[in-house]
Amino acid sequence: EPEVTQTPSHQVTQMGQEVILRCVPISNHLYFYWYRQILGQKVEFLVSFYNNEISEKSEIFDDQFSVERPDGSNFTLKIRSTKLEDSAMYFCASILGSVSYNEQFFGPGTRLTVL
Amino acid sequence: QQQVKQSPQSLIVQKGGISIINCAYENTAFDYFPWYQQFPGKGPALLIAIRPDVSEKKEGRFTISFNKSAKQFSLHIMDSQPGDSATYFCAAKAGGFKTIFGAGTRLFVKA
Repeated sequence: EPEVTQTPSHQVTQMGQEVILRCVPISNHLYFYWYRQILGQKVEFLVSFYNNEISEKSEIFDDQFSVERPDGSNFTLKIRSTKLEDSAMYFCASILGSVSYNEQFFGPGTRLTVL
Repeated sequence: QQQVKQSPQSLIVQKGGISIINCAYENTAFDYFPWYQQFPGKGPALLIAIRPDVSEKKEGRFTISFNKSAKQFSLHIMDSQPGDSATYFCAAKAGGFKTIFGAGTRLFVKA
């Protein structure tokens, strides 16, 4: 069964450092998302990406964040200068098309710890 | 308007019992209501979903009841099992846009 994969599974970084979280969405999917989940809290939308551009972003997704699809398979989330409050699980997701009932597949997540 | 309100925050049920989790929404543009199950250290996984033109959907032991006029929907887990112990999120979507998650319910099923 196709799945979304994410690397690394756990990233530890110092405050102020840049991190890049990587995702490989399901190959024929067209819409890509990043969500985050602070420990014990709900899953929050960060950004959606379609046709090589951001289609929507939340207020959390400020200038410190950027996304990129550098090739035909990878989808990355970059945090330019990490803060303590960026510590969370980051989930990548992908979906086949724009119809709402297309299932959104989530990756296993990357746990980001900012020290 | 974009929120999905979920209750209870946590739930303890005896094995074989019925687990009920409730959600409410405001935005009438939402047209798809999935429920996700999440185990510790894992990503959310789609459990069951419903569209607003249907009042109930059942898949095995899991049933969604949907009340469009009240803008409420709920998940019922029949014959709850210890393996059902997880966090459950209701959610809502409009088109291909973001999924809005509820706050989550931690379910513990006692053996």
